[in-house]
Amino acid sequence: DAKTTQPTSMDCAEGRAANLPCNHSTISGNEYVYWYRQIHSQGPQYIIHGLKNNETNEMASLIITEDRKSSTLILPHATLRDTAVYYCIVRGAGGTSYGKLTFGQGTILTVHP
Amino acid sequence: DAGITQSPRHKVTETGTPVTLRCHQTENHRYMYWYRQDPGHGLRLIHYSYGVKDTDKGEVSDGYSVSRSKTEDFLLTLESATSSQTSVYFCAINRDRNNEQFFGPGTRLTVL
Repeated sequence: DAKTTQPTSMDCAEGRAANLPCNHSTISGNEYVYWYRQIHSQGPQYIIHGLKNNETNEMASLIITEDRKSSTLILPHATLRDTAVYYCIVRGAGGTSYGKLTFGQGTILTVHP
Repeated sequence: DAGITQSPRHKVTETGTPVTLRCHQTENHRYMYWYRQDPGHGLRLIHYSYGVKDTDKGEVSDGYSVSRSKTEDFLLTLESATSSQTSVYFCAINRDRNNEQFFGPGTRLTVL
């Protein structure tokens, strides 16, 4: 699975958009970009994933660059409850990679009033 | 919460004792996983299962064994616990929809 690089920490004001970047320059053609987050002491929570098109769900939007070497997770209106560690993960969709996630250090997002 | 429970939620044990952690799911998913999480390391995969009696190693499997005799239960065993196995252990299932993983609440294990 491709390695990802994320900033160690970021701050965001409540009500503003939080934009979390991720670099994955070695991503291969069949690898997806997944985002999870982990709120203090809880298990990680799935947020969103994509292959090459931008994706949106009720939690967030995922913007993947055309060359697929980087992506941005957007929380459109951050709240205090969005304070968490956010993990960007790249992995294949099937075969021996099925379901196996490799977590890096993630980005600590702090949303402040 | 995807119907995943872990037991016990907290355990303190002594070096050299055997420990078994249980992960139970109510949704009949095929894939189940055990991770450990330590400060400075994020989550690391210990073992995973792709069906009853079908298991495989993850990146940090030494010192751990697993068993899956029925779909709903995935057991993680530390045959002889060591202090380096003090950690928070998370179980996860893989839902078919979007291949997303759902995690249990975690088990905090302390080996003295």
